[in-house]
Amino acid sequence: NAGVTQTPKFQVLKTGQSMTLQCAQDMNHNSMYWYRQDPGMGLRLIYYSASEGTTDKGEVPNGYNVSRLNKREFSLRLESAAPSQTSVYFCASSSRVNREGTYEQYFGPGTRLTVT
Amino acid sequence: AQSVSQHNHHVILSEAASLELGCNYSYGGTVNLFWYVQYPGQHLQLLLKYFSGDPLVKGIKGFEAEFIKSKFSFNLRKPSVQWSDTAEYFCAVTTSGTYKYIFGTGTRLKVLA
Repeated sequence: NAGVTQTPKFQVLKTGQSMTLQCAQDMNHNSMYWYRQDPGMGLRLIYYSASEGTTDKGEVPNGYNVSRLNKREFSLRLESAAPSQTSVYFCASSSRVNREGTYEQYFGPGTRLTVT
Repeated sequence: AQSVSQHNHHVILSEAASLELGCNYSYGGTVNLFWYVQYPGQHLQLLLKYFSGDPLVKGIKGFEAEFIKSKFSFNLRKPSVQWSDTAEYFCAVTTSGTYKYIFGTGTRLKVLA
């Protein structure tokens, strides 16, 4: 199993350009997440998808859109990149661990995005 | 709103020293607690987790954490750190039946050889 994979690993964009970050998991997990990681701020949730066909906003959704293409894939789109979106982006997935509904997350390797 | 606080932002220790990293959360209901580790240049990996039962949880690489409900805390401990423990450590909380995780801001640990 590859776990959670992300592409690309690195990307440089100019302000105003658009791009899509891809994420896929092969663990048959129901839930998928997009986070951004910035120094001193930990991980902040951008969007999540509790199950195939649903998506919800997280803590910092502005400037982003997502698509849950199928159970395996969850993409993050920047329509018009801004320097404030320079960050490291992590995708994660999780599934139910027990009846109480606790969820352990598995993370991808990250995408380092720079917007100039 | 739920939140997670990690009070130590940077910790420097010598090898063989003992480690304790603090984690406090704000939520009055049933919580599930996690510690993740991020080695330099790598993604987050699960160190240990607490769901219910014994409040002292043992994880990988000799780490353990104790859930103290009355103090809303889930501190991470290791009796003797190694140089290879140099990493950033994140505490996270979720509540039963929810999908969202709340992460702390992280603690950067540097272990001197």
